[in-house]
Parts: sequence; structure tokens; C-alpha cells
Amino acid sequence: DADVTQTPRNRITKTGKRIMLECSQTKGHDRMYWYRQDPGLGLRLIYYSFDVKDINKGEISDGYSVSRQAQAKFSLSLESAIPNQTALYFCATSDADGAEAFFGQGTRLTVV
Amino acid sequence: TQLLEQSPQFLSIQEGENLTVYCNSSSVFSSLQWYRQEPGEGPVLLVTVVTGGEVKKLKRLTFQFGDARKDSSLHITAAQPGDTGLYLCAVKTSGTYKYIFGTGTRLKVLA
Repeated sequence: DADVTQTPRNRITKTGKRIMLECSQTKGHDRMYWYRQDPGLGLRLIYYSFDVKDINKGEISDGYSVSRQAQAKFSLSLESAIPNQTALYFCATSDADGAEAFFGQGTRLTVV
Repeated sequence: TQLLEQSPQFLSIQEGENLTVYCNSSSVFSSLQWYRQEPGEGPVLLVTVVTGGEVKKLKRLTFQFGDARKDSSLHITAAQPGDTGLYLCAVKTSGTYKYIFGTGTRLKVLA
């Protein structure tokens, strides 16, 4: 089983719908991140969390919200999806030293 | 504007050729990382460089951190189809430990 698991892997949703992307990890890391990937823009940070009680906005948090339900679970929500949120979304974790980021396999989201 | 600019954005070469990709910034960093992302997967760490001027080798891949710690390069010798993927440089912000990624270089090696 993957250390960082994202569900769903693919999702098509309609404009205006609420959608939640889920991430769970078995690495025991406190730090978790949500990124979106668009062609030519690399990975951009949406939100990050350093423990259950600590959640921070990244570069592009508008239109997104997150929930850290437990050390192992970090969910990303789009309250009212819009087409320009069509992208590949990645969850990542790192340990306290931050020596390396470990990524899930990604969720491909299409908003029509 | 992006903190880390990578060039070229796309590169398509024949098997056996050499190539270099670049990661540039106007900021100074304490360390820099290179990740590779294969289709359908998340990025995976290749190397971390820490010291200005440092050179690290990973088989046919050579990574260099600029003397001023503002830029880095990745050189691949005798590229193979298995090297195909998206190469991302990244830095970790001090204190907050946020990972900031570059724009990426998408490499395709043709057999």
C-alpha cells in the first residue's frame, strides 16, 4: 500500500458543486500539504498543516478549504467548484526535519 | 512571478544525447532539491544540495548548486527513455518548512 493515499484518483464534477479530496498517510508525519499542478506552473501550494491544530494558507488558497481530521488525514474541499480549478491535485507529507516531501499519486479533477 | 524559474520548459531528445536543465532564482537558499515526476505518479526526491558549488552525482545525473546558492543545474549524460518525466526543483522555506516548487522541465527521451 502507498504511504500517502489520495482519493478519488479521478473526478469530474459540475460547476457550483461541492467536492472533497481526501488524503491519508501511514508515514506518521506531522506535516501535510496540498498542492495543485498546472502545465507550465509547476506545483503551487494551497494549504499546509504542521499538526492537527495548525493549518496555514499557501499561495493560492482562495476557493479552497481544508480539514485536518487526524494526524494521518488531511482533506481539501472546493465549496463551489469552478472550471479554472480543473487541475491535478497532490497531497504531500514531510517529517519534522523537512528533509523530503513524500507525495501521493494525485487526484485529477475536472470541473465542467 | 515564480520564485523558481526552470528552463527549458520542454525538451525532446534522442536516446544517448546529453542535456542540461536549469533552475534559477534571484533569492538565496540554504538548500535546493530536485524531484522527478513520472506520468500518473507524484514527484519523488532525487537529491538535495546544500553547499554553494556542491556537485552530486546519481548514476548518469549530475546536480550542481550555484556558488551563490541562487541557482542549480541538472545534467544527464547519455539519456535513456527511462529518464522521461517532469523534473522539478524545489526549496524549503526556513522556519515554516513550506516546499516551493519550480515551473518544471518536461523531458522526453526518444528511443
